[in-house]
Amino acid sequence: DTEVTQTPKHLVMGMTNKKSLKCEQHMGHRAMYWYKQKAKKPPELMFVYSYEKLSINESVPSRFSPECPNSSLLNLHLHALQPEDSALYLCASSLTAFTDTQYFGPGTRLTVL
Amino acid sequence: RKEVEQDPGPFNVPEGATVAFNCTYSNSASQSFFWYRQDCRKEPKLLMSVYSSGNEDGRFTAQLNRASQYISLLIRDSKLSDSATYLCVVKITGTASKLTFGTGTRLQVTL
Repeated sequence: DTEVTQTPKHLVMGMTNKKSLKCEQHMGHRAMYWYKQKAKKPPELMFVYSYEKLSINESVPSRFSPECPNSSLLNLHLHALQPEDSALYLCASSLTAFTDTQYFGPGTRLTVL
Repeated sequence: RKEVEQDPGPFNVPEGATVAFNCTYSNSASQSFFWYRQDCRKEPKLLMSVYSSGNEDGRFTAQLNRASQYISLLIRDSKLSDSATYLCVVKITGTASKLTFGTGTRLQVTL
């Protein structure tokens, strides 16, 4: 199983809503990542978790709150988002935080109204 | 200057053509190099890693020139299914698998 799954596929939320994005992998990977991708732009790294601990936070606003409950799951909690936060949110995983190959999930397409 | 630069294209080529994409990177500490492919509204998928000696995978050939900080991807005998955006990706040694993506080069293969 070389698959990273993400739910939901699409999400529409208002600026006052609280929602969560979920990511799961069962490849035994110990590093997981959140990326944000705007239209016609490359993915931009947001967070890196290594062995369930936050390893990198790329100066992401606090309205995005990551959580890694266990080695297979990664959540991204969203609160008080802005319309400019609308984007494709991609989760990825790799064997370790120093392993080159990252496997990406299909993404959650988020629209903030 | 962007860390990883690519010609955004689009490259419009007929089926069967050979097409080459170039990429330059600015950080000499970059140690690992990749080409990812991304279809419209889909996630990026690893196409191939790029090694100093150059490497080939079927119709795809990747080259790396460390002195010039330049990476290339050659696609021979293009297929319609090759239509996608090709992302040049570099990783800097020592950073926890922090990949830096180029803006991508769009390829459209036509009949």
